[in-house]
Amino acid sequence: QSALTQPPSASGSPGQSVTISCTGTSSDVGGYNYVSWYQQHPGKAPKLLIYEVNKRPSGVPDRFSGAKSGNTASLTVSGLQAEDEADYYCGSYAGNSKGVFGGGTKLTVL
Amino acid sequence: QVQLVQSGAEVKKPGASVTVSCKASGYTFSTYYMYWVRQAPGQGLEWMGIINPTGGATTYAQKFQGRVTMTRDTSTSTVYLDLSSLTSDDTAVYYCARSYYDILTCDYWGQGTLVTVSS
Repeated sequence: QSALTQPPSASGSPGQSVTISCTGTSSDVGGYNYVSWYQQHPGKAPKLLIYEVNKRPSGVPDRFSGAKSGNTASLTVSGLQAEDEADYYCGSYAGNSKGVFGGGTKLTVL
Repeated sequence: QVQLVQSGAEVKKPGASVTVSCKASGYTFSTYYMYWVRQAPGQGLEWMGIINPTGGATTYAQKFQGRVTMTRDTSTSTVYLDLSSLTSDDTAVYYCARSYYDILTCDYWGQGTLVTVSS
């Protein structure tokens, strides 16, 4: 399966909001409510931010939110903070136990 | 506390095989699926496959079919990734990550294992 499509970069000033998109197909993002988002700082393992489109694990600030419409999912980071500068990846279930990730988006806090 | 501890860095020659291990602790091993995900230098995450620790059933990405094997040892709560016929394109950090269901909700990740393929 092909990787999900994410913009390579996004940016915003502290306190602003930024939204990152993740486009797939009806075989992955559009077909299931099993989209997840991960944050990765340089040299670190990814961290789960959002699962099942819009659910947050315990400990993840509510500044992070997820949504989905058709074949496109999105992650919104509100009230940007310096520590939010990182790479963000979406992932989706693709049926028959398979998964697929997006290419990643580098978020810069200006 | 939940921990996934992976084996150390490896350097392999083209054509060789590599085995990466991932030892789980702090939870009931058999109740969580385990994914393997890799990340080439400066690149994104790539889904490689999944193993169900209960029974050992596996599903692999088509790209790796024929040269990847994922196994588990329930007595030591360890999963293994074997990748054969290595090329320079396999140079990457390899991660294991657990998920309660097979829906790519990976809540804990290993620290990563760098595999370098070089002649």
